[in-house]
Amino acid sequence: QQQVKQSPQSLIVQKGGIPIINCAYENTAFDYFPWYQQFPGKGPALLIAIRPDVSEKKEGRFTISFNKSAKQFSLHIMDSQPGDSATYFCAGEAGGYNKLIFGAGTRLAVHP
Amino acid sequence: DAGITQSPRYKITETGRQVTLMCHQTWSHSYMFWYRQDLGHGLRLIYYSAAADITDKGEVPDGYVVSRSKTENFPLTLESATRSQTSVYFCASSVRSGSFNEQFFGPGTRLTVL
Repeated sequence: QQQVKQSPQSLIVQKGGIPIINCAYENTAFDYFPWYQQFPGKGPALLIAIRPDVSEKKEGRFTISFNKSAKQFSLHIMDSQPGDSATYFCAGEAGGYNKLIFGAGTRLAVHP
Repeated sequence: DAGITQSPRYKITETGRQVTLMCHQTWSHSYMFWYRQDLGHGLRLIYYSAAADITDKGEVPDGYVVSRSKTENFPLTLESATRSQTSVYFCASSVRSGSFNEQFFGPGTRLTVL
C-alpha cells in the first residue's frame, strides 16, 4: 500500500526553468511533510519541510505548496540550475513517531 | 569525525548466506532506521529503533533481523540472503528540531545477491 504517491518519475528541464514535483497522500494522520534531495552515490538529505497548518513555505529557490483539502503537496524549484540535478523524495510522517513514509522519487535533470 | 557511517559500502554475496550490514552514528540520536532503495519504490522502511533495546518493524521487514544493544550501533542482518534483497541499503538516525524531525542518512551499502 503506497501511502504517498509521487509524480513524475523523471523530469528534464532547461536551466532557469521551474520544475514541479507533485505528491499526494492518503493517510490523514500525516502531520509533517518533508522533501529530501539525493545526489548520485549519496544518502538523501533534508531539503525543506512543511506542516499542514500553512499553505506555502519558501527556502531560497525551493518552495513547498500544500493543499490540505486535496491531500496534495508539491515542490517548486525556481531558477533551476544544473547543480539541482538529483533525485527528490517527498514523505509524510504521522503523529511524531519519527517514521517517514516516502514517495517513489523523482529524478530531475537540469540541462545547461 | 561525527556523523553516520555504514560498512561495508559494497557487498556481493550468494543466495542463502547470512550478511550483516553495519551502521554507526556519533550523535547519540535516539531513533535509527534501516531503509532499502529500489528503482520505482523509493525508500522503504525495513526496521526502526526508538532507543537501545527497542526495535520495531517497518514496511518490509521479512527476511531481515535487527538489534540495538548500544545507542550508536544498529546492525541489519539478512539471515538467508535472496536475490530479491539485492538493493541499496541506507541507515539513518533522527533528531527533533523544534517541531521538525530531520533524518540523517548514511552513505549507503550496495548489496548484490547472486
